[in-house]
Amino acid sequence: ELKVEQNPLFLSMQEGKNYTIYCNYSTTSDRLYWYRQDPGKSLESLFVLLSNGAVKQEGRLMASLDTKARLSTLHITAAVHDLSATYFCAVGMDSSYKLIFGSGTRLLVRP
Amino acid sequence: GAVVSQHPSRVICKSGTSVKIECRSLDFQATTMFWYRQFPKQSLMLMATSNEGSKATYEQGVEKDKFLINHASLTLSTLTVTSAHPEDSSFYICSASRGSGELFFGEGSRLTVL
Repeated sequence: ELKVEQNPLFLSMQEGKNYTIYCNYSTTSDRLYWYRQDPGKSLESLFVLLSNGAVKQEGRLMASLDTKARLSTLHITAAVHDLSATYFCAVGMDSSYKLIFGSGTRLLVRP
Repeated sequence: GAVVSQHPSRVICKSGTSVKIECRSLDFQATTMFWYRQFPKQSLMLMATSNEGSKATYEQGVEKDKFLINHASLTLSTLTVTSAHPEDSSFYICSASRGSGELFFGEGSRLTVL
């Protein structure tokens, strides 16, 4: 059974600081997704990582995937208040587009 | 704009009634759609895989008679919560893929059962 662990669950950080969110998963997969969710809203797609060593960057966020270690990271650079949200990683199961989600990381960026 | 649309976005119903939620892929055909539910401050839990033209595949622990899924066309899947109870109150989200690893989520439907 595929399990996805995300940490930390809650992150309070100051504006301008850097931090990394980690996503570990238990069985082989070559598809990993990162999403952002604002309160009361659905999911916004951030990154799709489809191969070992994949690295993608968008603004202050950078995601990477190491399929051998079964680990993905979401790195935040020089955080700003607008990044406050809940971030989920999700791992693809088998050949379908079924996803198993991590528990989410609630990020609060303080002025 | 959104490529997967859900309706209604919010619904309040009385205990014992049934509620239908629609999920549409707007500009692509989706042979498979997925339904998730999310309780407050929790993660998304996969409920079932909706297959066009055949029966849905439910995840372990999800009552198929309670959560009826119909995927009658390549652009529409519906989730009906039958005989709803307060514990069914949740945020229901669907997703669909248009290929190449890209997945889209609907805007979600918040169900409140009184």
